[in-house]
Amino acid sequence: GAVVSQHPSWVICKSGTSVKIECRSLDFQATTMFWYRQFPKQSLMLMATSNEGSKATYEQGVEKDKFLINHASLTLSTLTVTSAHPEDSSFYICSASPPDYTYEQYFGPGTRLTVT
Amino acid sequence: GQNIDQPTEMTATEGAIVQINCTYQTSGFNGLFWYQQHAGEAPTFLSYNVLDGLEEKGRFSSFLSRSKGYSYLLLKELQMKDSASYLCAVKDTRASGTYKYIFGTGTRLKVLA
Repeated sequence: GAVVSQHPSWVICKSGTSVKIECRSLDFQATTMFWYRQFPKQSLMLMATSNEGSKATYEQGVEKDKFLINHASLTLSTLTVTSAHPEDSSFYICSASPPDYTYEQYFGPGTRLTVT
Repeated sequence: GQNIDQPTEMTATEGAIVQINCTYQTSGFNGLFWYQQHAGEAPTFLSYNVLDGLEEKGRFSSFLSRSKGYSYLLLKELQMKDSASYLCAVKDTRASGTYKYIFGTGTRLKVLA
């Protein structure tokens, strides 16, 4: 149990275009989902916390107008990178927490974004 | 502020024991996690500590001292497949009552034959 999927697993897009990444909890309902970004040889940096039915909470320094997060249901959160630039190229990972687990988060497999 | 520190890199020999330290400063501590991450993959859960003391799980053990803001991950009988990055993460409760996870810098462990 506790499986989280991400789609796509990798994507290449041109500078100036937008890319949507989906994060789904497959066998549990996730009231909270987290979006992380990871640059090569660096650790995970939390971008935002996504709560079902409410606005996402963005971390300091993350542009909410550039990284649009929607958590429309208890099993799906999406991250849209708008007007992507080469510096947005990174590994994006989501995680989800079931409401009855007070401490665990389950990670998706990640999405490798390359902006050319 | 919030700060989590780990050594950047460590090297050890197959069959040996290695200890990876993590020090943290957070305002709403609510548990500490250790994850293993291989290159290009998502992190996988190794251990969780919320109370002081040692948690043992097979070849892996994790220790926590909340008063010192300190934790370590102990890996015994090292295997080549243990070569990976090890991430220390703290669950931090916000003033709003919600929570988030703050990750340390990560430690790249290289196991040599």
